[in-house]
Amino acid sequence: QVQLVESGGGLVKPGGSLRLSCAASGFTFSDYYMSWIRQAPGKGLEWVSYISSSGSTIYYADSVKGRFTISRDNAKNSLYLQMNSLRAEDTAVYYCARAAAGTEGDAFDIWGQGTMVTVSS
Amino acid sequence: QSALTQPASVSGSPGQSITISCTGTSSDVGSYNLVSWYQQHPGKAPKLMIYEGSKRPSGVSNRFSGSKSGNTASLTISGLQAEDEADYYCCSYAGSSTFFGGGTKLTVL
Repeated sequence: QVQLVESGGGLVKPGGSLRLSCAASGFTFSDYYMSWIRQAPGKGLEWVSYISSSGSTIYYADSVKGRFTISRDNAKNSLYLQMNSLRAEDTAVYYCARAAAGTEGDAFDIWGQGTMVTVSS
Repeated sequence: QSALTQPASVSGSPGQSITISCTGTSSDVGSYNLVSWYQQHPGKAPKLMIYEGSKRPSGVSNRFSGSKSGNTASLTISGLQAEDEADYYCCSYAGSSTFFGGGTKLTVL
């Protein structure tokens, strides 16, 4: 069964750090581009970051550039998001998602259940 | 660049058809045939409904169709059913970036 499971969310103070993880199963993880996408409470979806199948190509949304770092470990079938200098506006459910055909720009065909990140003092 | 523009809400009666528009720019929707649409029910993860502008993933009802003209993409749902009531988001690749629309709440009357 194709599945993505996020973990690592929680409550953190402004300026703090958090590392999210996404465990993939049921497909050849190393063949696919992966992304993080977030959704603030009651708001719409916002794309956060992309990483290519090998990890050699990485993109970020302007809102997180310089603060967040995406990475992956294909041997562990895992995707990560290191979030530093967190702000209240980073409060959201964070989803990991698979790019459908394994290439840049593809639609997101598999989503995790999401992990909640709350930035508050 | 900013999010793609969608109407905040649309509504229709069971059996009717509705169309949700998604307006971008020549840098995203207008430049790439990589518009996708997602359905999201409350408290659930989004579900892919349309990819590459007009293609349906396996398992998605043929009542859902997509199209594009210039900088505007559209999602049409025909034969509305109660279970179609949800939020719908468009999404477009923009070369080294990706943008979502603000979302459209579909109400089935």
